[in-house]
Amino acid sequence: GESVGLHLPTLSVQEGDNSIINCAYSNSASDYFIWYKQESGKGPQFIIDIRSNMDKRQGQRVTVLLNKTVKHLSLQIAATQPGDSAVYFCAETSNSGYALNFGKGTSLLVTP
Amino acid sequence: DTEVTQTPKHLVMGMTNKKSLKCEKHMGHRAMYWYKQKAKKPPELMFVYSYEKLSINESVRSRFSPECPNSSLLNLHLHALQPEDSALYLCASSQPKRGETTQYFGPGTRLLVL
Repeated sequence: GESVGLHLPTLSVQEGDNSIINCAYSNSASDYFIWYKQESGKGPQFIIDIRSNMDKRQGQRVTVLLNKTVKHLSLQIAATQPGDSAVYFCAETSNSGYALNFGKGTSLLVTP
Repeated sequence: DTEVTQTPKHLVMGMTNKKSLKCEKHMGHRAMYWYKQKAKKPPELMFVYSYEKLSINESVRSRFSPECPNSSLLNLHLHALQPEDSALYLCASSQPKRGETTQYFGPGTRLLVL
C-alpha cells in the first residue's frame, strides 16, 4: 500500500545545472504520459506529454524520456533556473478511461 | 487559450455550512473534472463530466455534489463537510476523449473546514 508521509522526494540542484526527475508506473496498458509542474498555491501546469509509440520528446529546455520495457518515465530540465522550483508530477492514462493517474511527485529546489 | 478559472480562491466554512465552488472554462473542451489535493500529495479524481453529463463518480461521499449547468460551468456543492475535507479543490478540462488527452487545471480553491 501507499506509505503515508509528510515529505515529498526532493531534488536539489544548482542554478544552471541539468535536472532529471524520474517516475515509475505500473500499468502496462498506459499509453499517454504527461508531466505537470505545480508551484506553491497554484494548480498543476502542463509541461510536456508523450505517447506510448515514442520514447523521447523535446520541448523548450525540457525532454521527456519513456522506457516502456521497465515502465519508467523521466523529465530532464536543461539549465535549471530558480523559476523551475516546484513540485513535478508525472501522470498517465490509457485509452480505456478519462482518469489521470498521478505519481507521488518530486519537489525540485533550485539554489542560486 | 487553455484557461480554467475557479472561485473563490480561499474558503473557510463550518461543518454545518452549505457552500459552492465554481469553475469556468474558456475553451471548447467538453470534459470537466473535479480533483481533491491534500498537502504534499498528488491530485485525486472525484468526478468527471463529459458533454455536461456525469460519467465518473469516484465513490465520493454525498456531502460533495457536483453540477454542470452548461458547457462552460462546473460547480461543486458542499454540505456538512468534515475537517478532513480541508484540501485544495482543483477543476480541470480536456477534450472528451478517453486517453491521449491533456487535462488543463485551474488554480484551485483552498478549502478549510472548521
